[in-house]
Parts: sequence; C-alpha cells; structure tokens
Amino acid sequence: EIVMTQSPATLSVSPGERATLACRASQSVSSKLTWYQQKPGQAPRLLIYAASTRATGIPARFSGSGSGTEFTLTISSLQSEDFAVYYCQQHNAWPLTFGGGTKVEIK
Amino acid sequence: QVQLVESGGGVVQPGGSLRLSCAASGFTFSSYAMHWVRQAPGKGLQWVAAMSYDTSHKYYAESVKGRFTISRDNSKNMLYLQMNSLRVEDTAVYHCAKDPASVGQEVILYNWFDPWGQGTLVTVSS
Repeated sequence: EIVMTQSPATLSVSPGERATLACRASQSVSSKLTWYQQKPGQAPRLLIYAASTRATGIPARFSGSGSGTEFTLTISSLQSEDFAVYYCQQHNAWPLTFGGGTKVEIK
Repeated sequence: QVQLVESGGGVVQPGGSLRLSCAASGFTFSSYAMHWVRQAPGKGLQWVAAMSYDTSHKYYAESVKGRFTISRDNSKNMLYLQMNSLRVEDTAVYHCAKDPASVGQEVILYNWFDPWGQGTLVTVSS
C-alpha cells in the first residue's frame, strides 16, 4: 500500500498570507494526486486533481504542483473561508490512500 | 445539482450487520462509478470500496474485504454498502462519493471523489 505523509500536521497562518502544504508518497504515484478541503461538520470538497488541475469552481488562489513522490498545495492569499483541514489522496494504485491531513488554522 | 444522501447508519454490536444506502440525484447515476469512503471520529479519511458504472468492476480495502459488499441499483439511482461481521474499528462516518469516470470513457474509474455526501454514522459498540 502507498503511504501518504502530509506536513506539517498544523499550519498557523495569518489571513492574506501564503500557505504551503506538503504531501509525500512512499512510492511514485506519477501525477495521480488529489487534494481535498474539509471544514468542521462538512464532507470533504475536491480542490485539485491530477496534481495540478483545479476542480470546477475552485478559486485561482489554490494551486497544486509536483509529480512522482513530492507534491505541494499552495494557497496564495488565505481567506477566512480557507481555514480547514486539507487532505491529499493518491489515485494511482489500489488501495486508494489518503494522507493524515494538514490543519490550516488562524495565526 | 448533484446530490448524494446517505442513510442506514446506527449503533450495532460487534459481529452485527448493517446496510447503508446512498440516494443519488442531479446526474445520470447509471453512467458513473461510485465509491464509499469512511472517517472515524476525529480521524482522517479511508477509502472503503468502489464500483464501476455497470457493476463489472468492484474494489475493496483490505480491511473490509470479505465482510463488506458494494452494490448498486441503477434503476433506483441507489448505491449500497452491506456490512457484515462489524468490528469496533469500523466505527466511522461513511460517505458515498461520485467518481468522474462515466460510460464511454476510456477508464473505468478515475479514483477521485467529487462530490461527497454528508455521510451516515456507524457506531459498532457493545
């Protein structure tokens, strides 16, 4: 099974600042990497698929990059509604696996 | 708009069974692959099972293989998860989720999830 590791576990950021979240795969997943956002009491929401393609309706301040084993989600200027938990997920091999999440909190 | 509504959760004793349902609307259900994903209370996400649009392909997480069965009724726009031999560690909110792969495409499943239902809570406890 491919193990996905996210860092940091918690990221404290001020509104308007840039946030950079990391996701590492235990073996190559090519570009088959997805990012989700989850707010308390809500279902996860798709942000990015295929490592760098924004899902429909996702603001341009969200961007994804990387391939192979190293991936990054960048939020260029944090808005109040962006404080949430972010998960990465590989969709290259069975079983599909998620990272443990990064909580982005207000500094 | 696309809507997924899960039901069937509840409290069950270890070793018991439960059947979850997911009612889909707002899209041509019979054309899309579907998944179940769970989240233990306060924990991260775990993929559980997947099924292609035509039921020809089914996949399971190792932890549920042989105990859980994914199925669908395309005439009713419904997805199901039959859960047998439940364990305490199966306690979680179970979400159904739509896969972007649909009939006519070159792939059976893309294996990402959009959108997700709100989920139904399954508690396995004595």
